[in-house]
Amino acid sequence: DGGITQSPKYLFRKEGQNVTLSCEQNLNHDAMYWYRQDPGQGLRLIYYSQIVNDFQKGDIAEGYSVSREKKESFPLTVTSAQKNPTAFYLCASSNRRGAASEQFFGPGTRLTVL
Amino acid sequence: AQSVAQPEDQVNVAEGNPLTVKCTYSVSGNPYLFWYVQYPNRGLQFLLKYITGDNLVKGSYGFEAEFNKSQTSFHLKKPSALVSDSALYFCAVRDMREGGGNTPLVFGKGTRLSVIA
Repeated sequence: DGGITQSPKYLFRKEGQNVTLSCEQNLNHDAMYWYRQDPGQGLRLIYYSQIVNDFQKGDIAEGYSVSREKKESFPLTVTSAQKNPTAFYLCASSNRRGAASEQFFGPGTRLTVL
Repeated sequence: AQSVAQPEDQVNVAEGNPLTVKCTYSVSGNPYLFWYVQYPNRGLQFLLKYITGDNLVKGSYGFEAEFNKSQTSFHLKKPSALVSDSALYFCAVRDMREGGGNTPLVFGKGTRLSVIA
């Protein structure tokens, strides 16, 4: 988990509220990613950013939004439009040098809707 | 399109026995292949990757993986399993034709390994 921090570790949300998950990295990586993990479904890509001030939708972007104003930060907002947001959220980053670069993951945030 | 299949949701093995976690892939070009491990309520930890060269790749914690191009497989192996190896394992792929490392990996759905004492 070194180099990437996610906060908070646990988050509780009432229905109808927007919440923002924090992701910070000190690895000087260009690319950052957000995944959602549900039991039995593996990792599903929400959004990713290859460079500051640019980001692309992943496979399940509906109900989520992101920003990339700084290289080290990639916050994820879960909006009230996301109908089933309870899940484990993982942030990752990678170096743009070479397609063989692995992704490094943060420790995750578990979001529960009450 | 790239894809990864992990055909087993669960693998059970006795402590001290060899273990294998299976992975097959599909890419248009040549693959870079990765294995990660996840312990409960934690992020994914990188274990090993195949780039080019020797088909047998050695990684962390005594794990290794064998690349087989003809079978499009990249199975994870360990000669002697430990109870502490019990975790969720993910295989991932990226096409070599991707220009850099800033494109997402494509992950399998994961295989839960249980090592029984």
